[in-house]
Amino acid sequence: DQQVKQNSPSLSVQEGRISILNCDYTNSMFDYFLWYKKYPAEGPTFLISISSIKDKNEDGRFTVFLNKSAKHLSLHIVPSQPGDSAVYFCAASNIIAADKLIFGTGTRLQVFP
Amino acid sequence: NAGVMQNPRHLVRRRGQEARLRCSPMKGHSHVYWYRQLPEEGLKFMVYLQKENIIDESGMPKERFSAEFPKEGPSILRIQQVVRGDSAAYFCASSQQGESNTGELFFGEGSRLTVL
Repeated sequence: DQQVKQNSPSLSVQEGRISILNCDYTNSMFDYFLWYKKYPAEGPTFLISISSIKDKNEDGRFTVFLNKSAKHLSLHIVPSQPGDSAVYFCAASNIIAADKLIFGTGTRLQVFP
Repeated sequence: NAGVMQNPRHLVRRRGQEARLRCSPMKGHSHVYWYRQLPEEGLKFMVYLQKENIIDESGMPKERFSAEFPKEGPSILRIQQVVRGDSAAYFCASSQQGESNTGELFFGEGSRLTVL
């Protein structure tokens, strides 16, 4: 049962344009959502998060949007840069329960010049 | 280096041998998580441990896999009698729970197991 889904395995975007990565979840108990970025042969690194009491969180070029009614979140990167090329994982948890993070399958972003 | 430390980074084993993967959490973190990433797949939760306690092992295969986090020393993920399907990247993460919990996990660089 895949509780966190990233339906696009890959995304290709031109440098300077916006990258939009999507994530859907099924468990209504999730109250905290995170995005991680992963380069080849490295561990995932935390990028940005959002609590279920918010619908938007912004950090520089990165913005995460949460639509609780649709159980959907998205990560916007603008402007996209070649260094953003990586695999992006969406993750969710029930932070009140101090529960584990459940990850999606990832979306490989390629930003080309 | 105050980050999550995993060793070995690469491990090659023949079928039937044992694999031991070690993880030292970030300083001040008392919670350790193990995740497995199979080729071309996402991160799958395996086990969540606190010092001397297994909190959640719902993602651990029923046989051959075990994990511990002793009072002293690193957390160890042990795979007995490895098979080719165990070939994967194994990531350890740590967190600081309680009032300081930000919900974020800090990951190590992973241990890549190859079973011949």
